[in-house]
Amino acid sequence: AQTVTQSQPEMSVQEAETVTLSCTYDTSESDYYLFWYKQPPSRQMILVIRQEAYKQQNATENRFSVNFQKAAKSFSLKISDSQLGDAAMYFCAYKGQAGTALIFGKGTTLSVSS
Amino acid sequence: DAGVIQSPRHEVTEMGQEVTLRCKPISGHNSLFWYRQTMMRGLELLIYFNNNVPIDDSGMPEDRFSAKMPNASFSTLKIQPSEPRDSAVYFCASSLVVSRNTIYFGEGSWLTVV
Repeated sequence: AQTVTQSQPEMSVQEAETVTLSCTYDTSESDYYLFWYKQPPSRQMILVIRQEAYKQQNATENRFSVNFQKAAKSFSLKISDSQLGDAAMYFCAYKGQAGTALIFGKGTTLSVSS
Repeated sequence: DAGVIQSPRHEVTEMGQEVTLRCKPISGHNSLFWYRQTMMRGLELLIYFNNNVPIDDSGMPEDRFSAKMPNASFSTLKIQPSEPRDSAVYFCASSLVVSRNTIYFGEGSWLTVV
């Protein structure tokens, strides 16, 4: 069975600085997808970024980028120029073959200070 | 397009009462997922449907929980009888049955059982 591990329960960053959230996963599948979701205090689940395993190029969405290391089964999220609105819980998630569900890590709570 | 719609948003009920949570997936989506989020256990997949058929219900905690999807635009998650340990945020999510498609979440139903 696939598993997702987020080893940092909490992280903090200063405004305008850069922070990296870690995620590792375990799978025997060769084709899969990885996601980062953001959950602010409202509890809404917001998709931040997505990476297809077959793509070597790391995904980027504005201030958010990933470092995808397929051989190491590592998928970290980098937030550049951190803003107060980035404060939230961040979940790493794995999705395998068609018609399967997302498997989530335990989450990392990110706090941003001014 | 409207997103995934869940109701009720908040419910407080007494132990032993029946609780019914409702979900309307995004129009055209044919996969539907029910997740539960608690502090202790994080985000857990309870059950998911593809084309209205339950595919994996191994996450359903016990016989007190049941889920149905009578048509492509509606699903229910029922707890009978409810217990205080069922207090959680219950998320419904939907997607297309294609690996690369992102799963979209509703805003969640906050359940408190007293």
